[in-house]
Amino acid sequence: GQQLNQSPQSMFIQEGEDVSMNCTSSSIFNTWLWYKQDPGEGPVLLIALYKAGELTSNGRLTAQFGITRKDSFLNISASIPSDVGIYFCAGRNTDKLIFGTGTRLQVFP
Amino acid sequence: NAGVTQTPKFRVLKTGQSMTLLCAQDMNHEYMYWYRQDPGMGLRLIHYSVGEGTTAKGEVPDGYNVSRLKKQNFLLGLESAAPSQTSVYFCASSYPGQNTEAFFGQGTRLTVV
Repeated sequence: GQQLNQSPQSMFIQEGEDVSMNCTSSSIFNTWLWYKQDPGEGPVLLIALYKAGELTSNGRLTAQFGITRKDSFLNISASIPSDVGIYFCAGRNTDKLIFGTGTRLQVFP
Repeated sequence: NAGVTQTPKFRVLKTGQSMTLLCAQDMNHEYMYWYRQDPGMGLRLIHYSVGEGTTAKGEVPDGYNVSRLKKQNFLLGLESAAPSQTSVYFCASSYPGQNTEAFFGQGTRLTVV
């Protein structure tokens, strides 16, 4: 089945550091979304990208829609303890919404 | 604001038993989705629906059936549960079109013994 590859699988960083993660696919997507999941909760949308090349920010988060439409990147600047969680990318074409494998982020004080 | 509500939140089944998971949304969304989440596998699409009375297979549909008799509800059925179906199940809904986000429920943790 179709699934997106996310890397890294997990990250352990110190508070204040910047974080980068990415998502790649063998298929083209028209929309890229980034979600965060806290323990015991459903994913919550962080950033949505609708055009190839688009760069969008939401506070300390910045995401980009790759030019080839097969990849996307998420950066978190100056990490804080509440950034801990699992980050998922998702690609959308017409009806289906396909998720990546996730990046687990741990932030140490 | 209920959003997307899943019931039950937890369930333990014996192998071979059947059950139905209910997803209800109050946002008048056309699209609804069922995913399963397993460690290291992310969220995998089981089935989805683009409107009342319609359903379609996702990436991992085997062993599951779905129905969308009412626009606000999307049911996921397991006819004969297997240990491999132990997972956390998430329902999501959205408006149609590519430029829309999906809203998720809080999940159902299912254990099949």
